[in-house]
Amino acid sequence: DVKVTQSSRYLVKRTGEKVFLECVQDMDHENMFWYRQDPGLGLRLIYFSYDVKMKEKGDIPEGYSVSREKKERFSLILESASTNQTSMYLCASSISWGFTGELFFGEGSRLTVL
Amino acid sequence: RKEVEQDPGPFNVPEGATVAFNCTYSNSASQSFFWYRQDCRKEPKLLMSVYSSGNEDGRFTAQLNRASQYISLLIRDSKLSDSATYLCVVNIRADSNYQLIWGAGTKLIIKP
Repeated sequence: DVKVTQSSRYLVKRTGEKVFLECVQDMDHENMFWYRQDPGLGLRLIYFSYDVKMKEKGDIPEGYSVSREKKERFSLILESASTNQTSMYLCASSISWGFTGELFFGEGSRLTVL
Repeated sequence: RKEVEQDPGPFNVPEGATVAFNCTYSNSASQSFFWYRQDCRKEPKLLMSVYSSGNEDGRFTAQLNRASQYISLLIRDSKLSDSATYLCVVNIRADSNYQLIWGAGTKLIIKP
């Protein structure tokens, strides 16, 4: 089974703090994604990566950056957390290009920014 | 208007009943369609892809209506374990780029 592991299930941070969210997948997938999920809204894509050291902006990249130094690991960074970044963050991976295949998600990281 | 719209529910349905819900999309360049299931406080998981001819997987049937721009999910003989939020996902192709648009989900509660 594909396993996508997110480093922290729950985090509480203060405004202005730097936040690292890490994601590791064990299926040698090329593509990795970071989404945020908020009540009443569909999942929104923050960034995705289709190869090591490659990254593409999604729909809402402002206030976020990412790093993919190794194929299995994709990190999301909030340089200076703000209260409007309180959300559930979901990492996903897939083998298929073009979003045509199944996305495998991690269990999510619920971030609260005070 | 949202690109992908779903009735948020909740749909409260007795065990054993049949339930159906729709998802409408606005972009005619939509290429492929999916239903994901998300249990409470869990991650989304693929339930089924939706094919043009419609497809069935056990008690679940998915259909696509391109003319009216909606997809549907029908669950027969519902079980308590079907309680979840069902997310509709649309894959849009523009030039050489793809984009997945997610609905906000329909919450289903199956009652004994």
